[in-house]
Amino acid sequence: NAGVTQTPKFQVLKTGQSMTLQCAQDMNHNSMYWYRQDPGMGLRLIYYSASEGTTDKGEVPNGYNVSRLNKREFSLRLESAAPSQTSVYFCATWWAPPVNEQFFGPGTRLTVL
Amino acid sequence: QKEVEQNSGPLSVPEGAIASLNCTYSDRGSQSFFWYRQYSGKSPELIMFIYSNGDKEDGRFTAQLNKASQYVSLLIRDSQPSDSATYLCAGGGGSQGNLIFGKGTKLSVKP
Repeated sequence: NAGVTQTPKFQVLKTGQSMTLQCAQDMNHNSMYWYRQDPGMGLRLIYYSASEGTTDKGEVPNGYNVSRLNKREFSLRLESAAPSQTSVYFCATWWAPPVNEQFFGPGTRLTVL
Repeated sequence: QKEVEQNSGPLSVPEGAIASLNCTYSDRGSQSFFWYRQYSGKSPELIMFIYSNGDKEDGRFTAQLNKASQYVSLLIRDSQPSDSATYLCAGGGGSQGNLIFGKGTKLSVKP
């Protein structure tokens, strides 16, 4: 039972390059989330998916796209990376009330040069 | 704009003391409140959640919620050096589980 897994763990990109961050969960949770965390800024929601086949924008969606491939997987794509997207990215999952906890993956550290 | 505010710290307490972490929130519609602990370079992990006014205790941790004042706190009794971490307060819940996180308070427990 791996919980929430993210790949890759680290990535360095050049400005303008594209990449996809992968997230998978084996907890059978309905909702999945992508956050970014910057020093002094806390966790900010990029996109979320309340269920398979649905996605919605969060607080900071510009420059990102997402795909909820199936119930297990939720990917985040940077089409043209910018230095402002240097951050730590966390994927999280949540089942439904009354289970309130969001479970976080280990994170992906992304640097855009 | 829904916000959760925390003092960024650092908050420094001696080993064995009580650490008090505070949080205020702007959205009166928030139903549940969460305290996550995050060690440096690691992902957040849930310590406690609370949704009713009053206190909720779990071991050395006590969460307090005052909805009238829109205030949440976390007390850590008998603080240990292993409690040194950043503590994130979050509010929200509801049908989609969306949370608004504060920026975190860095706690340092000195031996």
